[in-house]
Formats: sequence, C-alpha cells, structure tokens
Amino acid sequence: EDQVTQSPEALRLQEGESSSLNCSYTVSGLRGLFWYRQDPGKGPEFLFTLYSAGEEKEKERLKATLTKKESFLHITAPKPEDSATYLCAVQAADNFNKFYFGSGTKLNVKP
Amino acid sequence: GAVVSQHPSRVICKSGTSVKIECRSLDFQATTMFWYRQFPKQSLMLMATSNEGSKATYEQGVEKDKFLINHASLTLSTLTVTSAHPEDSSFYICSARAGQGRQPQHFGDGTRLSIL
Repeated sequence: EDQVTQSPEALRLQEGESSSLNCSYTVSGLRGLFWYRQDPGKGPEFLFTLYSAGEEKEKERLKATLTKKESFLHITAPKPEDSATYLCAVQAADNFNKFYFGSGTKLNVKP
Repeated sequence: GAVVSQHPSRVICKSGTSVKIECRSLDFQATTMFWYRQFPKQSLMLMATSNEGSKATYEQGVEKDKFLINHASLTLSTLTVTSAHPEDSSFYICSARAGQGRQPQHFGDGTRLSIL
C-alpha cells in the first residue's frame, strides 16, 4: 500500500538548534516528492520538489534531500519564524494526479 | 508566481444553506484543481480532483451530490456545499497545478466553514 509517514509528529527547538525532519515513503513508483510549509489557518506553501535519489534543494535555512526510501528536511540555525507545520507529499509515477500526503511535523522554535 | 486565490476565507451560515467557495489560479492556467478538507491537527484529506471541462473525480466516501464541483475554465474551480449541516463545518482548501507532469500543487489559503 502506498503511504507517506512523517516523523516526529512535533518538534520543539531552541533558536539556533539545527535538526532534521523525516518523510518516509512507500510508493510503487516515485514521480516527485514535495515539501510544503503550513502556517495555522493558512493553506500549504510550496517549498521544494525532489525528483530522484541523491537530489538536494536549498532555500535559506532549509535543505531537502532525497533517497530511495525517504526525504529529510534539514533546518539549520532555525529562527522562531520557521515555526510551522511541514508537510511532505509524494506523487505516484502511475498517476500524475495522485499525491500522498504525510500527516506533517509541527515545528516550534523558541527564542 | 503560482498564486492561488480562494474566496471567501471564512463563512458562517445557518444549517440548510448552500455555500459556494471559489478557487482561482491568478498567474497560471490550472489543468487540474484539487479540493481538500482538513480537520484540526490533521493532514489534508482529498475530496475530489477536477480537470478543466470535465467532471470531477471524487474520492471514496465523498458525496457527489453534497459537494458539487465545477471547473469551467483553466483559472477557476468552485466547490458548492449543498444544504450544509453542522457536520460539514471544516477547513476547505483548494489547490491547482499547471500541466500534467511533475509540477507541484499550489494551494489557496483555505475557507473556514462554520455551520450553525
């Protein structure tokens, strides 16, 4: 069964304390993996797309990496404004309109 | 780029009312639009997928006659919650994507629907 699992469910960090969020997936074929940020009461905001194992993408303090089984979102020296829920989604190769979303990691960065 | 506008952002209405939510892609043509429902502290639950000019594909358990979806143009999709009841209260989010390849979905800011 195709599915996406994110861990941890919640993460509390001190400002400047780097860490990583995990997105594990089991999909018969991967077309793409997407990371989103969602603030309370808002829709998800697109961050990155990763297509193949070994690929990396960076944006400010965020860096996303991809292997054949999982993706990591590394947060370097986070700031309080990085607090949000981070969602990952996997697009299946056999149906380009089929996206599997994880349940998200709620990140709280304390000043 | 890739801006999706959803309107209204919040609706409060009486039980039995029908409510229409609009989703517009402002700076790109959306071949496909998606409608989600999100419960507190939970992830997105896909309700339906719609392609411009064709009927929406609903997920299992989603009532087609309850949640009417229209995707009449490449920039506009609407979701109408018919005869809404308190159990329909939720956060509804639309997304849109251009093309049919590896493009990501771009989301609107959601509509908070409260049925009294």
